[in-house]
Amino acid sequence: AQTVTQSQPEMSVQEAETVTLSCTYDTSESDYYLFWYKQPPSRQMILVIRQEAYKQQNATENRFSVNFQKAAKSFSLKISDSQLGDAAMYFCAYRSANFNKFYFGSGTKLNVKP
Amino acid sequence: NAGVTQTPKFRVLKTGQSMTLLCAQDMNHEYMYWYRQDPGMGLRLIHYSVGEGTTAKGEVPDGYNVSRLKKQNFLLGLESAAPSQTSVYFCASRSPGTSGPDTQYFGPGTRLTVL
Repeated sequence: AQTVTQSQPEMSVQEAETVTLSCTYDTSESDYYLFWYKQPPSRQMILVIRQEAYKQQNATENRFSVNFQKAAKSFSLKISDSQLGDAAMYFCAYRSANFNKFYFGSGTKLNVKP
Repeated sequence: NAGVTQTPKFRVLKTGQSMTLLCAQDMNHEYMYWYRQDPGMGLRLIHYSVGEGTTAKGEVPDGYNVSRLKKQNFLLGLESAAPSQTSVYFCASRSPGTSGPDTQYFGPGTRLTVL
C-alpha cells in the first residue's frame, strides 16, 4: 500500500507571513494525483489544492501553491499571506490513477498567530 | 443541493451493540467512501464503492460491513461494536472522470463513542 508521510505534527506562522507544510509519499506508480485538504475545527474536510503527477507545472490556487518534486516524491504546500482563517489541520493525500483508494497523511496542525 | 450528508452526527453505543451509519449524496456520484479518523492517524479508508451494488475493502475493513443498494446511499454497519471503533467517521463521494476536478466531497462526520 502507498504511504503518505507528514513529518510536522504542528506548525505556527505569524499572520501575513508565509509557511510551508511538508509531505512525502511512497509509490511505485507513475500516474497519480496528490491533494491537500484543510480541516478546520468544524471537522469539515475542504479540498485546498490538487496536483496531477503527469503535470510538471506546480498547481496554484490564490494564496496556496505546491512544490511538487516527482523524483523526490515530495509534495509541499505553501501558504502565502497567512490569515487567521487558515488555522486548521492540513492533510496530504494520494490517489493512484488506476485505483480508487485514497491514502492520507497523519496531518499537520497549523496555528496562525495574530 | 445538500452535497453529502451523514446520519447521525453523534452516537454513543455500548460494547456489543449494533448500528448503521447512513451516508447520502445528491450529486449523482458513482464512487463513495467510508473513512475513520483517529487522533494522530489522519483518515483511513474502511470500505468504498464504485457503483450501485458494489463494495470493496479499504485499509481497515475488519468489524464493519457496507451496502450500496441505491446509488445515492452508502451504509456503514457495525454488527458488534467495540471500544476500538470509537472514532469520527467520514463519508465522501466523487465522480470519476478523465478530466475535471475529480474531487472528493466529504460529509460533516459522525462522532461515535463505544463504551
